Amino acid sequence: NAGVTQTPKFQVLKTGQSMTLQCAQDMNHEYMSWYRQDPGMGLRLIHYSVGAGITDQGEVPNGYNVSRSTTEDFPLRLLSAAPSQTSVYFCATGGTPNTGELFFGEGSRLTVL
Amino acid sequence: AQSVAQPEDQVNVAEGNPLTVKCTYSVSGNPYLFWYVQYPNRGLQFLLKYITGDNLVKGSYGFEAEFNKSQTSFHLKKPSALVSDSALYFCAVRDRGYSTLTFGKGTMLLVSP
Repeated sequence: NAGVTQTPKFQVLKTGQSMTLQCAQDMNHEYMSWYRQDPGMGLRLIHYSVGAGITDQGEVPNGYNVSRSTTEDFPLRLLSAAPSQTSVYFCATGGTPNTGELFFGEGSRLTVL
Repeated sequence: AQSVAQPEDQVNVAEGNPLTVKCTYSVSGNPYLFWYVQYPNRGLQFLLKYITGDNLVKGSYGFEAEFNKSQTSFHLKKPSALVSDSALYFCAVRDRGYSTLTFGKGTMLLVSP
């Protein structure tokens, strides 16, 4: 039982390049989300999804796209990377709306030069 | 809007002493409250949650937290700290009308031998 799997774990991009961070879960959770973690800023929500075909914006959505075609996968796309997107990205899933805890992946460390 | 404040960037405590990590919150209605822990280069792990009922909540690894509605606080406590408790701790809140979880900026707990 893998839980929440994020790939890649590390990535270096040049400004203007695009890439996709992958998130896959095998817990059959309806809720999936992406956070970014920056020093002194805590975790900030980028996008989230409450089920296949449904996505919504979080606190810091600019520069990122998501889609949810299946229950298992929730990829995060950077369309044109900027140095301000240098961060550690976490995917988190949850099974019970509102009252349930989130389960986190191990993180993806992205550096944009 | 929902928000969380963790007023201390770092808490230092000697092994065997009690520890407290502070958290205050702001929501429009009744809150769901959570504590998570993050070890270096890892994702966040769930510690405990308050949904309803008893104001004192017990969680993993001997941690507990007390919900105080009048002070809008949810402080994390442990009677006797261990060196292995050293980590980054996050408080989080969800308004019962929302589906997203808002995190504080985190408090680094350092337990000295």
